[in-house]
Amino acid sequence: EAGVVQSPRYKIIEKKQPVAFWCNPISGHNTLYWYLQNLGQGPELLIRYENEEAVDDSQLPKDRFSAERLKGVDSTLKIQPAELGDSAVYLCASSLGTGTGLEETQYFGPGTRLLVL
Amino acid sequence: AQSVTQLGSHVSVSEGALVLLRCNYSSSVPPYLFWYVQYPNQGLQLLLKYTSAATLVKGINGFEAEFKKSETSFHLTKPSAHMSDAAEYFCAVSVRTGFQKLVFGTGTRLLVSP
Repeated sequence: EAGVVQSPRYKIIEKKQPVAFWCNPISGHNTLYWYLQNLGQGPELLIRYENEEAVDDSQLPKDRFSAERLKGVDSTLKIQPAELGDSAVYLCASSLGTGTGLEETQYFGPGTRLLVL
Repeated sequence: AQSVTQLGSHVSVSEGALVLLRCNYSSSVPPYLFWYVQYPNQGLQLLLKYTSAATLVKGINGFEAEFKKSETSFHLTKPSAHMSDAAEYFCAVSVRTGFQKLVFGTGTRLLVSP
């Protein structure tokens, strides 16, 4: 069974340019997460989807970041315009999404490493 | 607020030696706790999780962790380190906000020398 797929794996852009990341979760997983991982830090949640609904986007900087999961399967995270401080790894994760899910295992993709010059 | 603290950003051991990675949690309710491992240029992989069924939790690759409420700890151990264990290890707590939200520690990099 395929794991969480993310693309691209690496992206280098100039500041003020737009960038988009794509994630395809494990088949059958209803819950999808986007995390930001800065160098030397643990992942921090940006947004969580239950099917196509964003149920927790409190940590998403909405002035420049946006996300969508239109059909409740794959998802796109966009930054426009990118800033130098956005250089980081963007991780996508998914889980089954049953009940409250408090003890559920999240399965992570390999991440997209973004460098903003 | 629920949180975890990982003591030591780097831990160095020799191959065959005991591995001990420390994690302390802060939670006003019984927590769900997780250990994830991250190899270079890869995503995070679950090692083990505590969900109140048993205080000693066994995971993959020979790792285990013991939940100690009195010490608010969930330290990760492995009796004998292998070169392939070199990676970044993250402790996380599941925050009870209605839906699961994982709050991660800052990570501990395990270095294994021959």
